[in-house]
Amino acid sequence: DSGVTQTPKHLITATGQRVTLRCSPRSGDLSVYWYQQSLDQGLQFLIQYYNGEERAKGNILERFSAQQFPDLHSELNLSSLELGDSALYFCASSLRPDSSGANVLTFGAGSRLTVL
Amino acid sequence: TQLLEQSPQFLSIQEGENLTVYCNSSSVFSSLQWYRQEPGEGPVLLVTVVTGGEVKKLKRLTFQFGDARKDSSLHITAAQPGDTGLYLCAGVMTTDSWGKLQFGAGTQVVVTP
Repeated sequence: DSGVTQTPKHLITATGQRVTLRCSPRSGDLSVYWYQQSLDQGLQFLIQYYNGEERAKGNILERFSAQQFPDLHSELNLSSLELGDSALYFCASSLRPDSSGANVLTFGAGSRLTVL
Repeated sequence: TQLLEQSPQFLSIQEGENLTVYCNSSSVFSSLQWYRQEPGEGPVLLVTVVTGGEVKKLKRLTFQFGDARKDSSLHITAAQPGDTGLYLCAGVMTTDSWGKLQFGAGTQVVVTP
């Protein structure tokens, strides 16, 4: 158990639908990151939050949005789902938003989304 | 197109053999990390290298960062079945935020008894 909790573990839905993935960071970590892992693209960075504020943005589609709440948990919202959105979505957390000191990125076990 | 190219894509060896996985790019990275991922789990950090030419050893694993900070290698000595997994290299470009890791496609390593 990495300490990063992601729910749900598996999700099956239909095209056009909307889903929300949830992440609780490791205790004490202030920064949360979302990554998408698909067979053809590998692991792709989506977005980073630090203490509730957006810190960096990657290849995140406009149909996707995320936020980090005051209790530091984060949610990734995926809307108007397409077949190609089927993937593993990983959340990771770290104490700080940068590479200083022994800052380490810890990944959760992922949420597997299947769009039919 | 992956910024980090890993080779080989798949490696199957017998227990006790040595193996090397390569991670190459035309871009310069401020730091590079190696992860191992097992089925149903997220990637787990093995090592971070930050200085060009740096070599780090973790038991039977040796990691090297190229002098120009564009490439890295992972060498496993006397591989064991427990080393089986997907090995991923990931780097932070000098112009990017630290958490914006660029991942390679991974090398699937299978070590058979």
